[in-house]
Amino acid sequence: GNSVTQMEGPVTLSEEAFLTINCTYTATGYPSLFWYVQYPGEGLQLLLKATKADDKGSNKGFEATYRKETTSFHLEKGSVQVSDSAVYFCALGDPFNKFYFGSGTKLNVKP
Amino acid sequence: SQTIHQWPATLVQPVGSPLSLECTVEGTSNPNLYWYRQAAGRGLQLLFYSVGIGQISSEVPQNLSASRPQDRQFILSSKKLLLSDSGFYLCAWSGTYSNQPQHFGDGTRLSIL
Repeated sequence: GNSVTQMEGPVTLSEEAFLTINCTYTATGYPSLFWYVQYPGEGLQLLLKATKADDKGSNKGFEATYRKETTSFHLEKGSVQVSDSAVYFCALGDPFNKFYFGSGTKLNVKP
Repeated sequence: SQTIHQWPATLVQPVGSPLSLECTVEGTSNPNLYWYRQAAGRGLQLLFYSVGIGQISSEVPQNLSASRPQDRQFILSSKKLLLSDSGFYLCAWSGTYSNQPQHFGDGTRLSIL
């Protein structure tokens, strides 16, 4: 079956630190992979996506590469800001656009 | 551009009362529609999804039901709310082709007293 596993949080970093949030998946077939961000009290916003192996999604300084050999889609950012504090969700989409979400990782960035 | 609207934003209801949450999408036709629930500090649980008018798939047996009376309208209902129905409810839509992202509404915070 399909599932997503994310590293547990919270992750606490100082401003300008390097960020990695790990995400691994299991899937039947050829899924698409997504990262979403959720700010307090709001819905989820699409951050980036990758639709096939070796694709790199990027947006607002965040990047993630679809690694089929390691079944991973780790989120990275070179220099985080206080405004990046939020909960980040990794998700797998099957060919019918049914999604499987990780449990979320809360990021706290301190000035 | 496409937009998704959910209402109300917050709702406080007594145990045993009925529920109706509404979600509408603009700027697209025949979207896939989804209802999720998010418990405090937790991930998302898919409740229902729909690929067309009157077509509803239920993911988790529960006290809730969903309906899609129009192409871009998705309603989440209950006849009698339970305390365990409290949570943050999110509606989402996607296109029908493969590899499409889901786009989320702002959510409804439901508190049961």
